[in-house]
Amino acid sequence: DAMVIQNPRYQVTQFGKPVTLSCSQTLNHNVMYWYQQKSSQAPKLLFHYYDKDFNNEADTPDNFQSRRPNTSFCFLDIRSPGLGDAAMYLCATSRTGGENTEAFFGQGTRLTVV
Amino acid sequence: AQKITQTQPGMFVQEKEAVTLDCTYDTSDQSYGLFWYKQPSSGEMIFLIYQGSYDEQNATEGRYSLNFQKARKSTNLVISASQLGDSAMYFCAVVSYNTDKLIFGTGTRLQVFP
Repeated sequence: DAMVIQNPRYQVTQFGKPVTLSCSQTLNHNVMYWYQQKSSQAPKLLFHYYDKDFNNEADTPDNFQSRRPNTSFCFLDIRSPGLGDAAMYLCATSRTGGENTEAFFGQGTRLTVV
Repeated sequence: AQKITQTQPGMFVQEKEAVTLDCTYDTSDQSYGLFWYKQPSSGEMIFLIYQGSYDEQNATEGRYSLNFQKARKSTNLVISASQLGDSAMYFCAVVSYNTDKLIFGTGTRLQVFP
């Protein structure tokens, strides 16, 4: 059974029209991450949460926002998508601490901006 | 900023042979974890194997084994008995136990041929 679920798998949005991507987990992990991955590139960390503590990467554009209303859910909001924001968006969750460390990903949401 | 380098952008291996994928990382953390992930063309990020920085024994998971050279800040993933389905992108990633950041390497595209 899927443990990290991203919805939708494919999202088409118009240039400048706000869009929200969602992620949920059944693992009860404290940490949740959002990554942007463009074609043939490594995933780039946008931000992550430890519980409700939000950690933004210095080079993440202001256009990208996130919410984590509870342990299970996390949202990525793109306020005004540009053509350059078309990418795969990956959500991950993790638990760190010695041999119990684990980190799993959702299937990703492929965003197209038209 | 943490930098993770996979010096082999592409690798070829014949079916049933073993292949080694390399990764070096630059971290000032004393406690961290190393992951390897497989990403097929569908885009899903599949967990393969994990090792913590304090683990003295190299991790193994089925056909995957991780060699950890802590002093050199390097790791490699060995895939034994390669299968056609192993053709994919492979990423190493480092998680800091201090910040919980999970950062990815540049990736290696592996192609298995008959």
